Amino acid sequence: DTEVTQTPKHLVMGMTNKKSLKCEQHMGHRAMYWYKQKAKKPPELMFVYSYEKLSINESVPSRFSPECPNSSLLNLHLHALQPEDSALYLCASSQDFGSSYNSPLHFGNGTRLTVT
Amino acid sequence: AQKVTQAQTEISVVEKEDVTLDCVYETRDTTYYLFWYKQPPSGELVFLIRRNSFDEQNEISGRYSWNFQKSTSSFNFTITASQVVDSAVYFCALSEVDDKIIFGKGTRLHILP
Repeated sequence: DTEVTQTPKHLVMGMTNKKSLKCEQHMGHRAMYWYKQKAKKPPELMFVYSYEKLSINESVPSRFSPECPNSSLLNLHLHALQPEDSALYLCASSQDFGSSYNSPLHFGNGTRLTVT
Repeated sequence: AQKVTQAQTEISVVEKEDVTLDCVYETRDTTYYLFWYKQPPSGELVFLIRRNSFDEQNEISGRYSWNFQKSTSSFNFTITASQVVDSAVYFCALSEVDDKIIFGKGTRLHILP
């Protein structure tokens, strides 16, 4: 069983909808990530939170809005998405970020998002 | 800039055969980390191994083994006596110190019964 839990597993939304993806980890990790993965492509980094503060935003459009309410939770708020935003959205956590240790990422199962 | 190349897009082997997945990387740093991840059809990426640039010892874990060679900038992954459950996409990845992980494009491995 994965130690990073993502909900929902599947989501279908219209272009005018507002929805949120949720991610939770209880490994005591201090860094959390959102990745986007299109079919047959590697994961692409979207956001990194370190100690609940946004450390990296990879020039993601503002229709994606991340939120880190506490060290265990990470949300991704979605609004006015486009069909090309349909993808697998993966949450990950790691022990830390920005240290010389480069701790490995632990991924959730992902949310498969379809925008109609 | 750092870069990871997995030249094999897709590989098919018959069960019980050995298979090697290639990974070549580029970096200007002397300190860096290499990773392998497995992504089965369920979607979750599973961490397999991390190796730092100062540790060139090969590693074996059950049927999995990794060959790290700095001289050729390669970090290859071998599965011995492959099984159908090994069917997945395998990603090699690189991160320089204090930096994000860069993934290769992945190799899709099919193990045929």
